[in-house]
Amino acid sequence: GEDVEQSLFLSVREGDSSVINCTYTDSSSTYLYWYKQEPGAGLQLLTYIFSNMDMKQDQRLTVLLNKKDKHLSLRIADTQTGDSAIYFCAESFTGGGNKLTFGTGTQLKVEL
Amino acid sequence: GAGVSQSPSNKVTEKGKDVELRCDPISGHTALYWYRQSLGQGLEFLIYFQGNSAPDKSGLPSDRFSAERTGGSVSTLTIQRTQQEDSAVYLCASSPGTGGARGYTFGSGTRLTVV
Repeated sequence: GEDVEQSLFLSVREGDSSVINCTYTDSSSTYLYWYKQEPGAGLQLLTYIFSNMDMKQDQRLTVLLNKKDKHLSLRIADTQTGDSAIYFCAESFTGGGNKLTFGTGTQLKVEL
Repeated sequence: GAGVSQSPSNKVTEKGKDVELRCDPISGHTALYWYRQSLGQGLEFLIYFQGNSAPDKSGLPSDRFSAERTGGSVSTLTIQRTQQEDSAVYLCASSPGTGGARGYTFGSGTRLTVV
């Protein structure tokens, strides 16, 4: 079955770059996603990458995908205190009805 | 409405009681999903509705869990004879049915506490 893993916690200083990592086991994923969850709120889609891409950049966000190693990362440049949240990676599959398989989430804490 | 609305936002119930959680999707969204977020864990898929098709119930953890979607709009997730391990945040999402999960919009969730 699918298994998506993330480290639980990351702490960075304001202005530094944050890199959140995710590994997955199922190679048939079609899209991979990064979601942000702030306290008491639902999940907000930050960005996504199609499985045949290696990289996607969107303003301060850079997604890197290594299909060989089944490794996905999210880099946040110039991290701000407003970036403090839980970040989830997720994958969807062809024929999966667009169901998402989520990682356990990484709590990002940005310190002054 | 403008977003996905879930009610109640918080629910405390006694072990053994039944609960109903409600989700109002975005108008016109044909697909509706329920996920469960337990403390320290990721989100777990529960059930998926797409238009008039039979729902995908493959994620429901036991027969105490059921869901329906009336008129292709509002959905209710029912948990019978609640147990303490059912305590979690239950999240609903809807999507237009195209664009894959890129089109998901999540609600803010219902926090269920079973005491």
